[in-house]
Amino acid sequence: QSELTQPPSVSGAPGQRVTISCTGSSSNIGAGHDVHWYQQFPGTAPKLLIYGNNNRPSGVPDRFSGSKSGTSASLAISDLQAEDEADYYCQSFDNSLSALFGTGTQVTVL
Amino acid sequence: QVQLQESGPGLVKPSETLSLTCNVSGSSISSGYYWGWIRQFPGKGLEWIGIIWHSGTTSYKPSLQGRVTISVDTSKNQFSLTVNSVTPADTALYYCTRAGEGRGWYRSDYWGQGTLVTVSS
Repeated sequence: QSELTQPPSVSGAPGQRVTISCTGSSSNIGAGHDVHWYQQFPGTAPKLLIYGNNNRPSGVPDRFSGSKSGTSASLAISDLQAEDEADYYCQSFDNSLSALFGTGTQVTVL
Repeated sequence: QVQLQESGPGLVKPSETLSLTCNVSGSSISSGYYWGWIRQFPGKGLEWIGIIWHSGTTSYKPSLQGRVTISVDTSKNQFSLTVNSVTPADTALYYCTRAGEGRGWYRSDYWGQGTLVTVSS
């Protein structure tokens, strides 16, 4: 089963910009499938943060942005805030006919 | 406001069947969209289980195919998950979700609160 790899953790000071990578393969991200991103706080369900590689649902601050290139995607958080401290997951689809999630990244605000 | 609520037993014995139901309000299952199940393991990893269209068309994660069934009851506006022959590895927080339509349809824009299922004798 294919997997999307993310760094276990990233951290930054308030106001800084951090990025989270999501590395896939030619059978998922590299095959042209869209990447979505979710934010999850402890004890709550994940929330859709970015869809279709770089689109924000209504209500998501424009500090959050997504991009995709080749077999990888990235989530950037600009002007990092204390309330951004959470777990983040990427998601894509694989040619094996299954959606799949990234391994998850914990963001810490220093 | 779309709301989803999972229900089902929190404890299942190994080799038995896990059955969960998701009640949907604020959106008619018959009106479209995919409806699916995702689980989160104690170590926090997320796993996509599968989805169902209101017509009954399904798609499952290949490694779970044959052990998992998702069904829909449009008259009750609910859908269900069945996992056969469970093992402790099936212990997880199970979420029901509404997925999208069209390109990138597998995105989940609405989630239930999740229900913890423990497989243990």
